[in-house]
Amino acid sequence: GAVVSQHPSWVICKSGTSVKIECRSLDFQATTMFWYRQFPKQSLMLMATSNEGSKATYEQGVEKDKFLINHASLTLSTLTVTSAHPEDSSFYICSARDNRGADTQYFGPGTRLTVL
Amino acid sequence: GQQVMQIPQYQHVQEGEDFTTYCNSSTTLSNIQWYKQRPGGHPVFLIQLVKSGEVKKQKRLTFQFGEAKKNSSLHITATQTTDVGTYFCAALKAAGNKLTFGGGTRVLVKP
Repeated sequence: GAVVSQHPSWVICKSGTSVKIECRSLDFQATTMFWYRQFPKQSLMLMATSNEGSKATYEQGVEKDKFLINHASLTLSTLTVTSAHPEDSSFYICSARDNRGADTQYFGPGTRLTVL
Repeated sequence: GQQVMQIPQYQHVQEGEDFTTYCNSSTTLSNIQWYKQRPGGHPVFLIQLVKSGEVKKQKRLTFQFGEAKKNSSLHITATQTTDVGTYFCAALKAAGNKLTFGGGTRVLVKP
């Protein structure tokens, strides 16, 4: 089946530093990947749509200069949280759409970010 | 923007009993998907409904898509402790490629 990995699975950083999260589709190609954020006991909120070879599309209210997205290949998208602050602490989850056509999104295991 | 409402927010169920969670949208949907997220885990795809009035079953889970393609339901029979988790519906708006998640129904099972 379709597998999506994320790295790291958890990270603790100091306020003001930047953190990069990787999302990889392991056994399929994904032109489109999505980045979500989930706060405790809340639903998933779409942050941005990551498109291979082009700029990401950000949802309203999401700062593109703070959450940098790079989708350099058909199997890898990265999210960099720049100058992280404690309010950025959250569970970040990526998903990937299989290029073979189904609308199904396959989710990564998530990255728990804690900013001290 | 599109909103997807899901009720109830919490469901405490006695083991062995049935329950239903509902998902409603104000706009017509291209399809609707259901996910389950265990505590501490990530969403796992359960099923996708595409056709108006469609009903699909997975063992003790029955999924239904409304005739107007604006609502959906998930019914679980004979609840087991393994059913614990949060069930999300996610709507794919017609002509769109983004999923909008409902607020989820958090299910707790009393043994």
